[in-house]
Amino acid sequence: QKEVEQNSGPLSVPEGAIASLNCTYSDRGSQSFFWYRQYSGKSPELIMSIYSNGDKEDGRFTAQLNKASQYVSLLIRDSQPSDSATYLCAVKTVKTSYDKVIFGPGTSLSVIP
Amino acid sequence: GAGVSQSPSNKVTEKGKDVELRCDPISGHTALYWYRQSLGQGLEFLIYFQGNSAPDKSGLPSDRFSAERTGGSVSTLTIQRTQQEDSAVYLCASSFFSNQPQHFGDGTRLSIL
Repeated sequence: QKEVEQNSGPLSVPEGAIASLNCTYSDRGSQSFFWYRQYSGKSPELIMSIYSNGDKEDGRFTAQLNKASQYVSLLIRDSQPSDSATYLCAVKTVKTSYDKVIFGPGTSLSVIP
Repeated sequence: GAGVSQSPSNKVTEKGKDVELRCDPISGHTALYWYRQSLGQGLEFLIYFQGNSAPDKSGLPSDRFSAERTGGSVSTLTIQRTQQEDSAVYLCASSFFSNQPQHFGDGTRLSIL
């Protein structure tokens, strides 16, 4: 089992719809969770961080964390064509003597006008 | 500057040559990461620095790859005797502490002829 898993997609949604991106992780000790967006040919940029169970909203974006189910998701409301990108989930775990951040493979999102 | 700075932005070299890639993290950031991303692929972790030490070198693909960080700031990634499969974008990221979000540089696009 990979440590951080995401559906590779591509996920296609019509403009104005809700896009739902999912991420599961294997280490129950994971403490910090991040969503990044990466446009083609560009570097990843941070969208949201979430550290405790529940929902965290920032504009059109909502991150949801369920540690019991080892699941973190990102909802994008009122999807726009400019949201078309690859979305990377990153999870921070604690190894014996250091923190480790593991990135998932990413989900490609296409918002259709 | 305010962000992570990487140089050069592009590097073309012949197979068998050595290359050095440089990363200047955000001032005050203690954690520094190197990743590799091949075209259309996910992020491949290479090495993580906390201060000047590297508690996690597990991602370095071979002994041709090495990295150092001096003064808790600038880092260089060196690839010796380059091979064509080393062609990729090399990304550097930094964070204030390892449990904080990472901020990425624009990357170095390395092409081995």
